[in-house]
Amino acid sequence: QVQLVQSGSELKKPGASVKISCKASGYTFSTYTMNWVRQAPGQGLEWMGWINTNTGNPTYAQGFTGRFVFSLDTSVSTAYLQISSLKAEDTAVYYCARGLSVWVGELEVKWLDPWGQGTLVTVSS
Amino acid sequence: QSVLTQPPSASGTPGQRVTISCSGSSSNIGSNTVNWYHQLPQTAPKLLIYSNNQRPSGVPDRLSGSKSGTSASLAISGLQSEHEADYYCAAWDDSLNGWVFGGGTKLTVL
Repeated sequence: QVQLVQSGSELKKPGASVKISCKASGYTFSTYTMNWVRQAPGQGLEWMGWINTNTGNPTYAQGFTGRFVFSLDTSVSTAYLQISSLKAEDTAVYYCARGLSVWVGELEVKWLDPWGQGTLVTVSS
Repeated sequence: QSVLTQPPSASGTPGQRVTISCSGSSSNIGSNTVNWYHQLPQTAPKLLIYSNNQRPSGVPDRLSGSKSGTSASLAISGLQSEHEADYYCAAWDDSLNGWVFGGGTKLTVL
């Protein structure tokens, strides 16, 4: 079955870096985009951006430029999120989510499914 | 402040029908389809409805979605304790060129 499996929880000090992995299985990795979504403690979902798994071209949402980097290793069907110069406010659960789209007439229907199980990143001194 | 607006909470008794609203604008709900997710505590969001009213395989028909103009809603009939979760609406925003989410609605079964 289609599945996204993320790496485990991380505890980092302010100023450090972290790299989260998201391994896909059950489908052709390069066929669909990979999206990243952040959920701060007790908060809602915030889209961080996406990466074209065919070209490797990343697109970052407002507020996620500079310290955030999306990358791929297509040989192992894995997407990565790296965050540098970590701050306390980066403490959150980070999800990867496959992006799907189909054209219905002139309308592009899009959705995110499935999602990885999430990776908790805690930034604390 | 979320781009899409949802009530922070909703509740109902077992067997009742409840609806959760989601309000947006012409750049998101008004011009794109709406998806709904639910999230149980300490778990990842799971797709419930896509393309306004389509249920993925395995989602029961007691859940339904609808859209009108710049608003959408999720209805759950035959409410059960297992429906207690956080519910999020989502849509692509053409102005932001990205996904936007509602702030989430916590559903309580009384």
